[in-house]
Amino acid sequence: DQQVKQNSPSLSVQEGRISILNCDYTNSMFDYFLWYKKYPAEGPTFLISISSIKDKNEDGRFTVFLNKSAKHLSLHIVPSQPGDSAVYFCAASDGSSNTGKLIFGQGTTLQVKP
Amino acid sequence: DTAVSQTPKYLVTQMGNDKSIKCEQNLGHDTMYWYKQDSKKFLKIMFSYNNKELIINETVPNRFSPKSPDKAHLNLHINSLELGDSAVYFCASSQEFLTGGFGGELFFGEGSRLTVL
Repeated sequence: DQQVKQNSPSLSVQEGRISILNCDYTNSMFDYFLWYKKYPAEGPTFLISISSIKDKNEDGRFTVFLNKSAKHLSLHIVPSQPGDSAVYFCAASDGSSNTGKLIFGQGTTLQVKP
Repeated sequence: DTAVSQTPKYLVTQMGNDKSIKCEQNLGHDTMYWYKQDSKKFLKIMFSYNNKELIINETVPNRFSPKSPDKAHLNLHINSLELGDSAVYFCASSQEFLTGGFGGELFFGEGSRLTVL
């Protein structure tokens, strides 16, 4: 029973265009969401996060949108650059559990073409 | 100067063997984790330790035993390896003990790819 799902295994966009990566969750207790980026043969690195009290968080070219009623979040990358080509993982946490456990999606591979 | 380092990066072994993966973090973090990435690419938590105390122990076979000699180290020992144990194992750490209101980010190591033949 996957509580966090990334239904698109891959995405290909042209350099300079917008990349939109999507993530759906089922557990309404999740109150913190994160995106991680992973290059081959490396560990995931933190990219951006959002608390459930917000619906948008922006950091440079990266913006995360949260739609709690739809249990959906998305990561927008504008403009996309070839160096953004990587696997992107969505993750969620239930703060009330007091364990800090993160539930990850299965990742979306983004390819940005020059 | 690697923040979270794991050894070995690659491990190929036979079924039934016992192996260990070591993890060290030099970030001064209090909490460390082991995650497993299986063939379906999901990252799933196995264990977490806070200041050497076990916090999370997911439904993991008893063959897996974490050990934290100090808060900078979290090792993973696996007994009687099985084919299904083949995966990439990631160690991670975070600054804060994750209470209600998760605010910390995880810092991951590069992963240890275990192949059981």
